[in-house]
Amino acid sequence: QKEVEQDPGPLSVPEGAIVSLNCTYSNSAFQYFMWYRQYSRKGPELLMYTYSSGNKEDGRFTAQVDKSSKYISLFIRDSQPSDSATYLCAMSALGATNKLIFGTGTLLAVQP
Amino acid sequence: GAVVSQHPSRVICKSGTSVKIECRSLDFQATTMFWYRQFPKQSLMLMATSNEGSKATYEQGVEKDKFLINHASLTLSTLTVTSAHPEDSSFYICSARVYFELNTEAFFGQGTRLTVV
Repeated sequence: QKEVEQDPGPLSVPEGAIVSLNCTYSNSAFQYFMWYRQYSRKGPELLMYTYSSGNKEDGRFTAQVDKSSKYISLFIRDSQPSDSATYLCAMSALGATNKLIFGTGTLLAVQP
Repeated sequence: GAVVSQHPSRVICKSGTSVKIECRSLDFQATTMFWYRQFPKQSLMLMATSNEGSKATYEQGVEKDKFLINHASLTLSTLTVTSAHPEDSSFYICSARVYFELNTEAFFGQGTRLTVV
């Protein structure tokens, strides 16, 4: 079993739709949870991070963490064609030297 | 957010030659940097963890003599692909983590696309 599971998609939605991206994990030591957006041939760009259960909102993005279920989500409201990218979840245990474990990424296409 | 600069963004080299990729943290000190490799349509695979002033820690299956990592200062880490072969062609990305109060964030460089011909 992989430490982090993420549906690779692809996921295609119409412009304006609400997008839900999800990851599950098995390691209860994970405390930091991050979502990255990666455009083709570019490095990942940090969208959101959180270290507690619950919701965190930033503009059109909401990150949700449920540690009891080992489940995290990223919601995108009013999706735009410019949101089309691969979304990667990542997580790690405490400490800056602990390595990030990535999901496989979900390819999202927002159709105009 | 913090900025990680990676150079070059793209390099083409002949088989058998060596290529050096630089990763710099521009506005913060990074005691630890990470090097990843990414194949098309796949996620990031951690190759090694680079620690300032000490030897890098390599992941299982990664040849440390082939992928030389040097972290000589708190703002610079380099990855040298030695005696490159076509199968080394890939997208290489560096990352640095930084603490903000109780939080830690990881920032990535722009990536280097290596093509070995």
